Amino acid sequence: NAGVTQTPKFQVLKTGQSMTLQCAQDMNHNSMYWYRQDPGMGLRLIYYSASEGTTDKGEVPNGYNVSRLNKREFSLRLESAAPSQTSVYFCASSTRRVGYTGELFFGEGSRLTVL
Amino acid sequence: GEDVEQSLFLSVREGDSSVINCTYTDSSSTYLYWYKQEPGAGLQLLTYIFSNMDMKQDQRLTVLLNKKDKHLSLRIADTQTGDSAIYFCADFERLTGGGNKLTFGTGTQLKVEL
Repeated sequence: NAGVTQTPKFQVLKTGQSMTLQCAQDMNHNSMYWYRQDPGMGLRLIYYSASEGTTDKGEVPNGYNVSRLNKREFSLRLESAAPSQTSVYFCASSTRRVGYTGELFFGEGSRLTVL
Repeated sequence: GEDVEQSLFLSVREGDSSVINCTYTDSSSTYLYWYKQEPGAGLQLLTYIFSNMDMKQDQRLTVLLNKKDKHLSLRIADTQTGDSAIYFCADFERLTGGGNKLTFGTGTQLKVEL
């Protein structure tokens, strides 16, 4: 199993450009998440999707949109990129099966630089 | 909202024990986690502890939980160079719409020196 797959792994954008980060999981998980990681700030939740067909804002949603395309896929879109969105973005997923202990499963990250 | 704090850096000599500390604010936490991030990689779950436990041991890893002080620690015995990584403490929160959220600390960069 691939687990959680993110594309692209690296991207450089100019201010004002748009792009979409793609995420897919093959573990049949219900919930999916987008986090960003910045030095000295840990991981902060941007958006999450508790189940297919639902999405909700996290701590830092401004400047982002998401789409839960189906159970497997959850994309993150930057409509007009800003230098403050330079970060490493992580997609994660989780299940809700009986006995689940709450852990998230992470992709390898997408490193975005906005010039 | 929930806050999770860690010190940013820890340096130890190979073979020594490492202790990484974390404090959290949510008194209703049910699970607390330690994740490891190696350079250029995503986060991997190392271990977790349920809130009704004081201690959990898993090979070289020992997790201690002090609920009264809202303090969590991770002890790595016989630290090796392969343990060099960033270690994140995280707190579980069940979401009203379903699913769950983890609130992460800032991460502690562990450097193991020969």
